[in-house]
Amino acid sequence: GENVEQHPSTLSVQEGDSAVIKCTYSDSASNYFPWYKQELGKRPQLIIDIRSNVGEKKDQRIAVTLNKTAKHFSLHITETQPEDSAVYFCAAPSGGGADGLTFGKGTHLIIQP
Amino acid sequence: NAGVTQTPKFQVLKTGQSMTLQCAQDMNHEYMSWYRQDPGMGLRLIHYSVGAGITDQGEVPNGYNVSRSTTEDFPLRLLSAAPSQTSVYFCANSPWTPHEAFFGQGTRLTVV
Repeated sequence: GENVEQHPSTLSVQEGDSAVIKCTYSDSASNYFPWYKQELGKRPQLIIDIRSNVGEKKDQRIAVTLNKTAKHFSLHITETQPEDSAVYFCAAPSGGGADGLTFGKGTHLIIQP
Repeated sequence: NAGVTQTPKFQVLKTGQSMTLQCAQDMNHEYMSWYRQDPGMGLRLIHYSVGAGITDQGEVPNGYNVSRSTTEDFPLRLLSAAPSQTSVYFCANSPWTPHEAFFGQGTRLTVV
């Protein structure tokens, strides 16, 4: 099955600065990479995803990049705002005969005013 | 249009008790799944279903059963609750497996 590593576990940035969260995966057959945002006490919500046939995808202040050769993908948030404070999870298809997603352990993003 | 609805939101069980966590969707999606979330562990797949009558195991299935008699409902059964099953449980669906998962609000379960 898939193994997803996520770094850092905690990231503190000044409001207005950029934040980057990185994930690596193990299964070269994985072809779909979503990012979820989870606010305290709430459900995870999909914020952006990328498929293996593209290298980058943007949606306003957030972007995801994918390097298939190195088997890693990253979430980029520009011009951070207080409402960006949350836990962010990356994921990849579980593989190994199991349908579903394998998640990273999460990054707690703190936006300092 | 409620999306994915989980009940109850909170539950306390004694060790050895059994219970069913309910999950219902009104989105007519074929794929449904159950995850558990523990501090520092991310979300881990328990069981999933690709359609009515079809279920399969995920990463951490021990101690849990599921069934899928209709497209709308996907209950998760704890057979004999253990303290290790204290967690937040999320049900999710998606239009096709396993992408673009949409999560329910979660059930916080404590086993004492």
